[in-house]
Amino acid sequence: DAGVIQSPRHEVTEMGQEVTLRCKPISGHDYLFWYRQTMMRGLELLIYFNNNVPIDDSGMPEDRFSAKMPNASFSTLKIQPSEPRDSAVYFCASSLAAAANEQFFGPGTRLTVL
Amino acid sequence: AQSVTQLDSHVSVSEGTPVLLRCNYSSSYSPSLFWYVQHPNKGLQLLLKYTSAATLVKGINGFEAEFKKSETSFHLTKPSAHMSDAAEYFCVVISSGTYKYIFGTGTRLKVLA
Repeated sequence: DAGVIQSPRHEVTEMGQEVTLRCKPISGHDYLFWYRQTMMRGLELLIYFNNNVPIDDSGMPEDRFSAKMPNASFSTLKIQPSEPRDSAVYFCASSLAAAANEQFFGPGTRLTVL
Repeated sequence: AQSVTQLDSHVSVSEGTPVLLRCNYSSSYSPSLFWYVQHPNKGLQLLLKYTSAATLVKGINGFEAEFKKSETSFHLTKPSAHMSDAAEYFCVVISSGTYKYIFGTGTRLKVLA
């Protein structure tokens, strides 16, 4: 298995632009998580899905952030409009409910908003 | 509510000497606990997990951790550090009734030649 796949690996954009981050979870996993990592705040859970349904989005910072999971093999995290304070590394992770909750992380997308 | 506290933000050891990274947890029930490692510019990789089976858990790359309920601790150890162990390590507890991870603040391990 290729593991969790994220794209792009690096994104540089200007303030006000729309940014879309993509994630392909491990095949067969029924949970998908989006995290943000910054020096100031560490690792934060933004939102997670179970069987493509959002379960908890309490970590989404504000309405500029949205996430979707149209099918079991694809999820997006969108920021519109982007701001410099959104600069961070965004990780996607997936897990199998029956496997003692171990989460498998993707390599991350490093977002820089100028 | 569940939480974890990593007692050291930075640890430096010499190559070939033991590693000890400390983690205390707070939980009202028997928790599931994990240690993850993050190498520079990489994603997180699971080192080991405790899920109420054996209290001494062995992981990858020679790491192990011992669950001590009386001390509410889950410290990570390795007998002999290698240069490739230099990374950031995260202690994690599962939030009760959910699949949400609660991360510690991380410990950055430096290995000196």
